[in-house]
Amino acid sequence: QKEVEQNSGPLSVPEGAIASLNCTYSDRGSQSFFWYRQYSGKSPELIMFIYSNGDKEDGRFTAQLNKASQYVSLLIRDSQPSDSATYLCAAQVSGRGAQKLVFGQGTRLTINP
Amino acid sequence: EAGVAQSPRYKIIEKRQSVAFWCNPISGHATLYWYQQILGQGPKLLIQFQNNGVVDDSQLPKDRFSAERLKGVDSTLKIQPAKLEDSAVYLCASSPRAGRGYEQYFGPGTRLTVT
Repeated sequence: QKEVEQNSGPLSVPEGAIASLNCTYSDRGSQSFFWYRQYSGKSPELIMFIYSNGDKEDGRFTAQLNKASQYVSLLIRDSQPSDSATYLCAAQVSGRGAQKLVFGQGTRLTINP
Repeated sequence: EAGVAQSPRYKIIEKRQSVAFWCNPISGHATLYWYQQILGQGPKLLIQFQNNGVVDDSQLPKDRFSAERLKGVDSTLKIQPAKLEDSAVYLCASSPRAGRGYEQYFGPGTRLTVT
């Protein structure tokens, strides 16, 4: 069983709409959750992280965490064509001697002008 | 602040050959990670260093992959011999620490093609 699961998409959203990206995780010991954006041919870049239940807002981005349901989401308001990318969800889990990130397979998002 | 540096950016080799990748983390970052990202998948952790010690190499195929981090700074990842399934992007990342909430910063990656 995969530890972090995402719908691989593609998810297509019209410009200006809200894009909703979802992620579930299996390890209840996971403490923090990260959303990375990865443009084609580029490396992942951090958008935001969350470790408390509820919502966390940063500009047009809102991360939501529900530990009881083991569910994390990322909302992108007023979607722009430049938001078209693959979005990676990662859970921070206890590894052998240290914390490590486990990534989902990513959701490909396309914003249509 | 300079980011994570990696070289080479691209490498094409034949199967059974060897290859090495180099990473220089952000100055002062104690934790260094090597990931393998196969096309269409998320990054998979291969090995994690804390300073110059290995803290997690549970997913490193040790029969062919090796890594070291001398003096707690630069790191090299080697594959010998390479297989076709090793074709992937190899990402290096660093973070100030390995604790909760510490974000990882990724380098540009090395795209390896094994023919």
